[in-house]
Amino acid sequence: EIVMTQSPATLSVSPGDTATLSCRASQSITGKLAWYQHKPGQAPRLLIYDGSYRATGFPPRFTASGSGTEFVLTISSLQAEDVAVYYCQQYSNWPRTFGQGTKVEIK
Amino acid sequence: QVQFVQSGAEVKKPGASVTVSCKASGYTFTEYAIHWVRQAPGQGLEWLGWINTDTGKRKYSAKMQGRVTITTDTSATTAYMELSSLRSEDTAVYYCARDRELDYYLLYWGQGTLVTVSS
Repeated sequence: EIVMTQSPATLSVSPGDTATLSCRASQSITGKLAWYQHKPGQAPRLLIYDGSYRATGFPPRFTASGSGTEFVLTISSLQAEDVAVYYCQQYSNWPRTFGQGTKVEIK
Repeated sequence: QVQFVQSGAEVKKPGASVTVSCKASGYTFTEYAIHWVRQAPGQGLEWLGWINTDTGKRKYSAKMQGRVTITTDTSATTAYMELSSLRSEDTAVYYCARDRELDYYLLYWGQGTLVTVSS
């Protein structure tokens, strides 16, 4: 099973600053990585697919990059509505696996 | 538009079984796979399993293998997740989610169903 490791566990960022979230796979997953945004009381939402493509409905301040085993999600000009837990998930191998999540807070 | 309506909250005793349903609409049911994911209190997302709604082929997480069964009723455009031998650790919100196609990422999500296991 591919283990997905996210860091940091919690990120406190001032409004308007940049949040940088990392996700590492235990083996190469090429570009088959998705990021999800999960707010309390809501269903998760697909944010990024294929490593770097932004899903419908998300603004350009969300960008992502990476391939192989190292991936990064960047939230520029952080806004209060971006407070959530962000999960990465690989879909290269079975079973599908999620990272443990990074909680983004407003400082 | 793509929508999922999941069944209501459940309270079960340890050792019992629970079945959560996920009624899909807004697309051709057999053209897209369905995943099941759960989130226990204070924990992250955990992938449970997947079903190809056309062929019935299934994949499960190793941790849940043997206790979880995913099925579909294509005539009712509904997917089901049955979890047996319930333990307190199975208390979680259970989500169904539709794949982009058959074996990619989770594009559309249901609203979630809370299953509480308590004696």
